[in-house]
Parts: sequence; C-alpha cells; structure tokens
Amino acid sequence: GESVGLHLPTLSVQEGDNSIINCAYSNSASDYFIWYKQESGKGPQFIIDIRSNMDKRQGQRVTVLLNKTVKHLSLQIAATQPGDSAVYFCAEKYTGNQFYFGTGTSLTVIP
Amino acid sequence: DAGVIQSPRHEVTEMGQEVTLRCKPISGHNSLFWYRQTMMRGLELLIYFNNNVPIDDSGMPEDRFSAKMPNASFSTLKIQPSEPRDSAVYFCASSLAQGSSGYTFGSGTRLTVV
Repeated sequence: GESVGLHLPTLSVQEGDNSIINCAYSNSASDYFIWYKQESGKGPQFIIDIRSNMDKRQGQRVTVLLNKTVKHLSLQIAATQPGDSAVYFCAEKYTGNQFYFGTGTSLTVIP
Repeated sequence: DAGVIQSPRHEVTEMGQEVTLRCKPISGHNSLFWYRQTMMRGLELLIYFNNNVPIDDSGMPEDRFSAKMPNASFSTLKIQPSEPRDSAVYFCASSLAQGSSGYTFGSGTRLTVV
C-alpha cells in the first residue's frame, strides 16, 4: 500500500537566486531560535541563531528574521548554491535546555 | 574537536534481537539528547540527560527502549527486543546546559530491523 509520511514543504530555486524559508513556531514564550541544515545522510548542522530580544541577525549569506507578533521565523539565503540543497529545520526553546523542532522544509537548488 | 561520535553508522538486525547504539558527546558538554528521525514523524526527542542524569524520558516509545549515561563521555540507547517499526535514523546530540546554546548532532545511526 501507499506509505503515508510527513508532507515536507518543498522549495525549488535557481542557482544564484535568493531563498526564503519560513517557519511558524508554537510557543509565544520561546526565547531562543535556531535554524539547522540537514544534508542527506548527515545530522542537522547549526546555521544561525537568534534570541527573542532581536528581530534580525545576519551571518555569511544567511539572515534570520523573527516576528514575535505572529510567531514567525524566516531564513533567507543569498545567492543560493547547489550545496545549499538540504532540509532546513527551525527549532525553538522555551523551557530548560530542550529545543523543539519543526517538520522541516526541503530546499532544492537547480543548477 | 571530533564532534559528537555515534556508532555504528549502520545497523541491520533481525526482529527480536537486542540493539545497542552508542554516543560520545563533545568534551565539556553536559547535556545529551537522543532523537529518532523517520519520514512518518520527523525528529522526535526520545530522552535527554543533564550531567549524566536522565531529565525527560517521556519520548521513549515503550519499555523496549532504554538509555544510560554512565559517565560524561558515553551514552547508550538500547532496544530489546527490536521490531521492524523501530527502523529509523537515531541521532545523538550534545550541548552546554548553562545558558542558551544549540545542539551539536552526531552523524546518526541508521537502524534497519528486518
């Protein structure tokens, strides 16, 4: 029979274009957020983080935006490259040292 | 630093057999997490330890699953007896418990129970 699994949101972008990946988080008390990148066959890797007292943070080619009013987080990747193809997860922390992960977005970069 | 080290990378076992997954966290990290990743459920937290003490094991699916952390540099996740539905990728991650910091994940163990 047909297997039922998570329906990962997918995003396809042309190499060189900018990518925007969105995430709706669940808890208004969350005070720390991280974006992770997971390439096929590997564990999730830290990309960038942001604390709740900020609304924007920039890294190398990546920017994270936080909108606490609507509990929304986004990851912007500038000049997307084939090596950026992966599944991207947002994670929120609101208690102890435990992070809660979203279901992920699959990014495919078309050469 | 070698990062979080998991072994084995791949494990294929028959239903009913005992499976032991191993993890060496980053030196100095005092929190350790075991996650399971499947297509059906995504990343699920199974259990986490602070200073070698289990803090939250509510994600452990059933009594067939157990985890130990005998010291700061080693943890095991054991499944006994294993079942086909346990097939998944199991990740170990570690972090500093104090303050806000992210996790560092290992490369995972891909478990297949036939």
